[in-house]
Amino acid sequence: DTEVTQTPKHLVMGMTNKKSLKCEQHMGHRAMYWYKQKAKKPPELMFVYSYEKLSINESVPSRFSPECPNSSLLNLHLHALQPEDSALYLCASSLTYLSGGIADTQYFGPGTRLTVL
Amino acid sequence: AQSVTQLGSHVSVSEGALVLLRCNYSSSVPPYLFWYVQYPNQGLQLLLKYTSAATLVKGINGFEAEFKKSETSFHLTKPSAHMSDAAEYFCAVSDSGGTGNQFYFGTGTSLTVIP
Repeated sequence: DTEVTQTPKHLVMGMTNKKSLKCEQHMGHRAMYWYKQKAKKPPELMFVYSYEKLSINESVPSRFSPECPNSSLLNLHLHALQPEDSALYLCASSLTYLSGGIADTQYFGPGTRLTVL
Repeated sequence: AQSVTQLGSHVSVSEGALVLLRCNYSSSVPPYLFWYVQYPNQGLQLLLKYTSAATLVKGINGFEAEFKKSETSFHLTKPSAHMSDAAEYFCAVSDSGGTGNQFYFGTGTSLTVIP
């Protein structure tokens, strides 16, 4: 099973709202990723968690707050977003992040379509 | 530094014709290369990956890709296009040189299949 699940599928929020995106995998992967994807563009890396610790933050604004409560679950907390934050948010996981020179396949979830009004 | 170039942001082929999507990479270390497909409003699905075991890699849905080191290319092909192949295709290279499993994506190629 190579499934990554994401909820909700769609989310509409105002600029003053607080909401959260959820990502889950049960493949025993120890690396999890958040990406942002605008229409007709490639995914842009936001955060990487390795063994539940934040390893990479690609200079993402503080209105996006990631959390990894356990090895299977990844959350993205949203607060005071701007309309330009509207995008498809993708979660991915891989076996490891630091694998000593071997690339592990990243498996992607279906995404959450976020609209900020 | 790793990077990927996908020539042709839009490719149109007739149903039953050969599909050829181009990907060239730049890598300072032996690369790990991936092709993903994305259908509208969905996530990315792995088509195939190159990990140095064999230069010709077969993937799902009849796709294959050939790694050519001399040309720094990893083009994706399919002998006969189906209507269901219409989607966005992304080539990616992995930064596996000890600094982490970061993927660097190309800008994508939108494939249209004409009936």
